Amino acid sequence: QVTLRESGPALVKPTQTLTLTCTFSGFSLSTGGMSINWIRQPPGKALEWLARIDWDDDKYQTPSLGMRLVVSKDTSKNQVFLTLTNMDPLDTGTYYCARAVGYGLDAFDTWGQGTMVTVSS
Amino acid sequence: EILMTQSPATLSVSPGERVTLSCRASQSVGTKLGWYQQQPGQAPRLLIYGASTRATGVPARFSGSGSGTEFTLTISSLQAEDSAVYYCQQYDKWPPFTFGPGTKVDIK
Repeated sequence: QVTLRESGPALVKPTQTLTLTCTFSGFSLSTGGMSINWIRQPPGKALEWLARIDWDDDKYQTPSLGMRLVVSKDTSKNQVFLTLTNMDPLDTGTYYCARAVGYGLDAFDTWGQGTMVTVSS
Repeated sequence: EILMTQSPATLSVSPGERVTLSCRASQSVGTKLGWYQQQPGQAPRLLIYGASTRATGVPARFSGSGSGTEFTLTISSLQAEDSAVYYCQQYDKWPPFTFGPGTKVDIK
């Protein structure tokens, strides 16, 4: 059974750095084609894709966040990390990680339950 | 960046009725189009990928069609548990992957 779970702080202050962890099971990120994606959703709003890290450590991210965002992985621990610097209240929302199996099947077939992050002083 | 639009924004439908949701891409995405269902308080769930292939465990009342820039998700007979927001997403030209703004389906 494929599962993903996000974890991290529920509350961060403006200008602080957010680090989220996606812990997964039921598959290996060393399998060709696999990727983990990060998506966020402000309260009451639509989904926004943030970043992707591939099985071979290729990384992609949304241009809108520029240098603020870093994605990394620890394949041996089945974990992927999202770091977002200089947090702003506009970054408030639910953050999801989701898997894609790749090789043209890049839809996100399995999602974590999400973790809500509030940015407030 | 490919812009995804969806219509209508909301609709209210009686159980048993047929529902048709539309999604449009600002440029062709072939059939690299997915549909997701997000029930209240839940994570999104993949319903359809490749524009028309149902994901594992998705009931047969959900079907997808279209290619290029115009896509449709159809629910053949609406059930109460289908009350949700439905998002389309393109995965043809990325980064970034882009989602539509969603269509909210309410049960009358």
